[in-house]
Amino acid sequence: DAGVTQSPTHLIKTRGQQVTLRCSPKSGHDTVSWYQQALGQGPQFIFQYYEEEERQRGNFPDRFSGHQFPNYSSELNVNALLLGDSALYLCASSLGGGSEAFFGQGTRLTVV
Amino acid sequence: AQSVSQHNHHVILSEAASLELGCNYSYGGTVNLFWYVQYPGQHLQLLLKYFSGDPLVKGIKGFEAEFIKSKFSFNLRKPSVQWSDTAEYFCAVIPIEYGNKLVFGAGTILRVKS
Repeated sequence: DAGVTQSPTHLIKTRGQQVTLRCSPKSGHDTVSWYQQALGQGPQFIFQYYEEEERQRGNFPDRFSGHQFPNYSSELNVNALLLGDSALYLCASSLGGGSEAFFGQGTRLTVV
Repeated sequence: AQSVSQHNHHVILSEAASLELGCNYSYGGTVNLFWYVQYPGQHLQLLLKYFSGDPLVKGIKGFEAEFIKSKFSFNLRKPSVQWSDTAEYFCAVIPIEYGNKLVFGAGTILRVKS
């Protein structure tokens, strides 16, 4: 049973560019959440998707947007990249909200 | 501000020593509580969780945690650590009244000397 998979694993982008990160949830899960983890900090909640709708959003600007597809996979898009967007981006899936979340390996984004 | 606090950022122990990692949260309502572990080069994995019931929760690999509601705490313990417990440990909370998001502490890096 495949767990949560994320792609790509590493990415280098230039300031001002746009990036798309992808996530496939654990089999049977219907909810996908995205987190940003800066160096030396705990993961920070970006948003959560359920039934193809953004159900909850953290304190991130509108440059961060997402999408969930009918097969429950999800994308995270970041526009107008800033140096401060450099971080590990984690995807987590769960069955419904409030329950145990399973995390992927993350995508390491470096903005230069 | 509403938050999750982990008391120590770095802990160094010798093998067979006992471990206690502190975690406090600032939400007054109903919470779901978690401890996650991240071994070097691996993804975040769930160690244990508390939703309701017995406040003493047992997880994988001999870890346990105790929920003390009056102290807003969920401390992680292990009686005897092993070298393989070297990892970063994160306390996380879902404050139910604020939705389904996980709020994480800053993490504690544990190094176990063999």
